[in-house]
Amino acid sequence: RKEVEQDPGPFNVPEGATVAFNCTYSNSASQSFFWYRQDCRKEPKLLMSVYSSGNEDGRFTAQLNRASQYISLLIRDSKLSDSATYLCVVNPQAGTALIFGKGTTLSVSS
Amino acid sequence: GAVVSQHPSWVICKSGTSVKIECRSLDFQATTMFWYRQFPKQSLMLMATSNEGSKATYEQGVEKDKFLINHASLTLSTLTVTSAHPEDSSFYICSALDPSGRADTQYFGPGTRLTVL
Repeated sequence: RKEVEQDPGPFNVPEGATVAFNCTYSNSASQSFFWYRQDCRKEPKLLMSVYSSGNEDGRFTAQLNRASQYISLLIRDSKLSDSATYLCVVNPQAGTALIFGKGTTLSVSS
Repeated sequence: GAVVSQHPSWVICKSGTSVKIECRSLDFQATTMFWYRQFPKQSLMLMATSNEGSKATYEQGVEKDKFLINHASLTLSTLTVTSAHPEDSSFYICSALDPSGRADTQYFGPGTRLTVL
C-alpha cells in the first residue's frame, strides 16, 4: 500500500463548480498534514495545513479524519486560476521529510 | 516567508558528465535540507536528507556514490549528479527546515530541471 494515495483525476470542471479531492495515508502515527499546489514545471507551494477541527481559507476547506486516515480538500466557486495539481502531503514526524501523494489534477474551464 | 533558492533552474548536459545543483537558504540557517526528485506525472520522492556538517542520509535505492550531497555550511547544500545518464533526467527540488520556525514547515526551492542527452 502506498503511503499517501490520491485519485489522480483529472478533474475537469466549469468555473463556479465545487470540487472535492480525497486522500488516504497509511501511517497512523503521522503528525502533520498539508495540501500543496503545484503548477506545471514549478515547485510545490503550500496551500494549507489540515487539522482534525477543519481548516478554512476563503474558498478552500480542508479536513482531517485521523480515525479513517483520510484527508479532504474542498474548493468552492472554482476559478480558472485554480487549475493545477493538488498534492496531499503527510509529515510522519516533525523535522523529517514530507511524503507526497501523486497529486490530483484539476482543470477549470470557462 | 523564508526563501530558498536553487541554481541552476535548468540544465542540459551530455551523458557521462557531472552536474552540480546548489540549494541555498537565503534568510535563515538550515541545519537540515532535503533533496527530492520528481519524474513526469509522478510524486516528489525523497532522495536524501542533508545535515550540515555530517554525511547525508540516502533513501533506499538512491546510490550515494552517484548522487553526491555536500552540506558544508548552514545555508548551502549541493547535489552532484555524477556520470549522468538519460534516466537521471528529472526535476530536482530541495527544501530546507528553518529551525527557528515550526518544525513541520519546509521551504522549497524553485527546482532544477535536468535533461541528460
